[in-house]
Amino acid sequence: QSVLTQPPSVSGAPGQRVTISCTGSSSNIGAGYDVHWYQQLPGTAPKLLIFGIINRPSGVPDRFSGSKSGTSASLAITGLQAEDEADYYCQSYDSSLSSYVFGTGTKVTVL
Amino acid sequence: EVQLVESGGGLVQPGGSLRLSCAASGFTFSTFAMSWVRQAPGKGLEWVSAISGSGGSTHYADSVKGRFSISRDNSKNTLYLQMSSLRGEDTAVYYCAKDDGGYDPLDWFDPWGQGTLVTVSS
Repeated sequence: QSVLTQPPSVSGAPGQRVTISCTGSSSNIGAGYDVHWYQQLPGTAPKLLIFGIINRPSGVPDRFSGSKSGTSASLAITGLQAEDEADYYCQSYDSSLSSYVFGTGTKVTVL
Repeated sequence: EVQLVESGGGLVQPGGSLRLSCAASGFTFSTFAMSWVRQAPGKGLEWVSAISGSGGSTHYADSVKGRFSISRDNSKNTLYLQMSSLRGEDTAVYYCAKDDGGYDPLDWFDPWGQGTLVTVSS
């Protein structure tokens, strides 16, 4: 079982804003390790969406933004579009496990 | 363009072995750590193993420690995952992914290969 907890699903109408939380603990996010986010479209491999909490790789729209506070991090999608329907995963490092860890994953549905 | 192409997946009986390969191109392979990440059918992502650029340092998730072995051949730009004593719970799509740099707790994975399916069943 993952040590990073995400809501199973979030949904919103086109154009709306949705946020996905990623809740960890003092041995991962709370310890100061960076949080990264991935988007996985149906039937495809994950793609890096946000790295180092707030940074977007080249080509990722600025509708996607990340933040972190304490033992949690969040991914926000503004101006939701149909093409944003996908699974989203957070990722960090856990010092107790000495391993990279992923969140449980969140399915975003555009109504 | 950075490309990662996995191969070697298939059907294997419980207790059996399998070796996965990941052919890399488009970057200086030996200067980057590499990881394997798996995804069981309908489930989330699980980091499996990582190896430093030189191959001198390896790391494993507790779930595979002692059963899986990661290696690389920098002369062939290829990453490997030797899997043995396979169990039903090892059934998953296995992705190789390029680390941001050397093995570091701050690393992220970019890009990922297309994945190769491993099915452990009798």
